[in-house]
Amino acid sequence: KAGVTQTPRYLIKTRGQQVTLSCSPISGHRSVSWYQQTPGQGLQFLFEYFSETQRNKGNFPGRFSGRQFSNSRSEMNVSTLELGDSALYLCASSARPGQENTEAFFGQGTRLTVV
Amino acid sequence: GESVGLHLPTLSVQEGDNSIINCAYSNSASDYFIWYKQESGKGPQFIIDIRSNMDKRQGQRVTVLLNKTVKHLSLQIAATQPGDSAVYFCAENMAGGTSYGKLTFGQGTILTVHP
Repeated sequence: KAGVTQTPRYLIKTRGQQVTLSCSPISGHRSVSWYQQTPGQGLQFLFEYFSETQRNKGNFPGRFSGRQFSNSRSEMNVSTLELGDSALYLCASSARPGQENTEAFFGQGTRLTVV
Repeated sequence: GESVGLHLPTLSVQEGDNSIINCAYSNSASDYFIWYKQESGKGPQFIIDIRSNMDKRQGQRVTVLLNKTVKHLSLQIAATQPGDSAVYFCAENMAGGTSYGKLTFGQGTILTVHP
C-alpha cells in the first residue's frame, strides 16, 4: 500500500511569487491535513480537508489556501511568498471512519525555500 | 531581525538503555494523543497512540503513559537502539466539532542513542 506522496520534494521560489504543492493521500483515506514545520515555530496546523470540504483551519493568513479533489488528492497554494514562508510543508492523511480519531500518516514533505 | 529557533529538549542514552520522553499537553478537552518520530529529512512517522479513556498502552518496545490529571504524556522506549535516534513529538487532538484532523504538536525532544 503506497504511503502519502508529496510533490515536489524541493522547491525554490522568489519573494512575491506563488507556489502550489500537491499531496496524494493513502488510498482510501478521505482526510488530508497540511502542516508547516519551521525551526522557529515547530509543527503548525494549516488546514484540513475531508470529502472536498475544508473542515478546519489554523491561524495562517489568507495567502495560504488549499483544496481537495474528488479523488481525495489535495493541493495547497501560497500566494505572494515571503521569506518567512520558507519551511517544510507536510501533508498527512487519515481514514476518519465515523466519529473516531484515527492516526494520521505523514508524507516526506515539500521543502520550500523563498529567496 | 534574527529569528530565534525552538530550543528542543535533548535526551542522550546508551544503546540498550531505556528512554523516557515527556510531554505536557495544553488542552484538557483533548481526547486522543499520538507520538511521532521524525528522522532527518523525513516526515513524522507514527509510533503509538492512546485515547483519553486509557492511561497506558503498549506497543513493540514502546509504552505510552497518559496522566490526564496533570496533562502529561510520556513515551517509554525499551532497549533503545541507535536507529531510535530522532526527534520525537507528541500530538493531541480533540474529537468532535471542527477539530477533526487538527493535531497540535509539542515542541519535540531530540533523542540521541550512543552505541
